[in-house]
Amino acid sequence: GAVVSQHPSWVICKSGTSVKIECRSLDFQATTMFWYRQFPKQSLMLMATSNEGSKATYEQGVEKDKFLINHASLTLSTLTVTSAHPEDSSFYICSARGFSGRGSYNEQFFGPGTRLTVL
Amino acid sequence: GQQLNQSPQSMFIQEGEDVSMNCTSSSIFNTWLWYKQDPGEGPVLLIALYKAGELTSNGRLTAQFGITRKDSFLNISASIPSDVGIYFCAGLRETSGSRLTFGEGTQLTVNP
Repeated sequence: GAVVSQHPSWVICKSGTSVKIECRSLDFQATTMFWYRQFPKQSLMLMATSNEGSKATYEQGVEKDKFLINHASLTLSTLTVTSAHPEDSSFYICSARGFSGRGSYNEQFFGPGTRLTVL
Repeated sequence: GQQLNQSPQSMFIQEGEDVSMNCTSSSIFNTWLWYKQDPGEGPVLLIALYKAGELTSNGRLTAQFGITRKDSFLNISASIPSDVGIYFCAGLRETSGSRLTFGEGTQLTVNP
């Protein structure tokens, strides 16, 4: 159990366009989802935390108008990178925690990541 | 954001050797998690620790939650080539809500 999927797995876009990344919890209900970005050879950097049905909480230095997060249901969160620029190229990873029929998860389970390349 | 001090940064070992890595912090954590990340993939949870002093195994992996609640270690016994990857520790504090604090990662290379 506790599987998280992301779509797409990779995307290449032109500068100035917007890109949407989906994160789904497949076999549990995710009350909280997290979005991270990771640069090569570095650790994960938390961008924002979202709770189902409420506005996301962004980390310091992350532009909320540029990285739009929607967590409309207990199994789906989306991250939209608006007006993408080359410096937005990165590996974006979501994670989720919540509960299944067997109880609650204290752990975070990660998606497989989305490689974004902005030309 | 704040990160945990994870060491070593990288390790190069021979197949069959044992491996040990650890994370320390000046802050107290109430949950410690160990993840492994393969290239181009998201982190995969290996072991979760919830109580100070707890020692938990998952196959050839063993992890412990330090008594002081400020550190944790991960051991891998009899390493194999597929153990190659980046290992991250992560901690959860009561004061941080559900936000994890990550270590900087240990890059493990196993030579056949």
